Amino acid sequence: KAGVTQTPRYLIKTRGQQVTLSCSPISGHRSVSWYQQTPGQGLQFLFEYFSETQRNKGNFPGRFSGRQFSNSRSEMNVSTLELGDSALYLCASSLGGTGGQETQYFGPGTRLLVL
Amino acid sequence: AQTVTQSQPEMSVQEAETVTLSCTYDTSESNYYLFWYKQPPSRQMILVIRQEAYKQQNATENRFSVNFQKAAKSFSLKISDSQLGDTAMYFCAFMLGANSKLTFGKGITLSVRP
Repeated sequence: KAGVTQTPRYLIKTRGQQVTLSCSPISGHRSVSWYQQTPGQGLQFLFEYFSETQRNKGNFPGRFSGRQFSNSRSEMNVSTLELGDSALYLCASSLGGTGGQETQYFGPGTRLLVL
Repeated sequence: AQTVTQSQPEMSVQEAETVTLSCTYDTSESNYYLFWYKQPPSRQMILVIRQEAYKQQNATENRFSVNFQKAAKSFSLKISDSQLGDTAMYFCAFMLGANSKLTFGKGITLSVRP
């Protein structure tokens, strides 16, 4: 089975721009979660999508949004980019049952640099 | 709110030796899961081992085993016969049983010396 894929792998943007990141889960997985990783804040949960609906949300401003398509692929959008949004964005997929019964498998990440 | 603490920022071990990475967590819930993830220089997050809180038996995966002390809220990872490929950052993570959000510790950088 192919693993979780994320595109693009690297991005450079300037302040004020917006960006869209994509995540394709493992085949058969219906849940996709997004995490932001920075040296200062570590790994922080952004949100989780299941069956095209946001099921969980972390403590990030409204500039961070996401969606999920019927094939379970997910996109994350960040509008009005700030320097502090520079980070590694990781997505993880799981089968989608409730709670921690299932393990999350991570993609390779998208590294975003905001100048 | 749940918290995960990894107090050791760095550790070093000689190849073939054993090393233990510490993790403590805080929660008032009884249904939860604990994980150790490995992040090598490639930045790919890889699951090492998982533990269900309701299981008393410590999880084991080949050279990796955990010491789960539920009352003490401690979840340490033991790596036996350390290999150069074990060099990575290791994250302890917590997930509530009714949720899909992983809460991570700050991580520990492990270096395996030849």
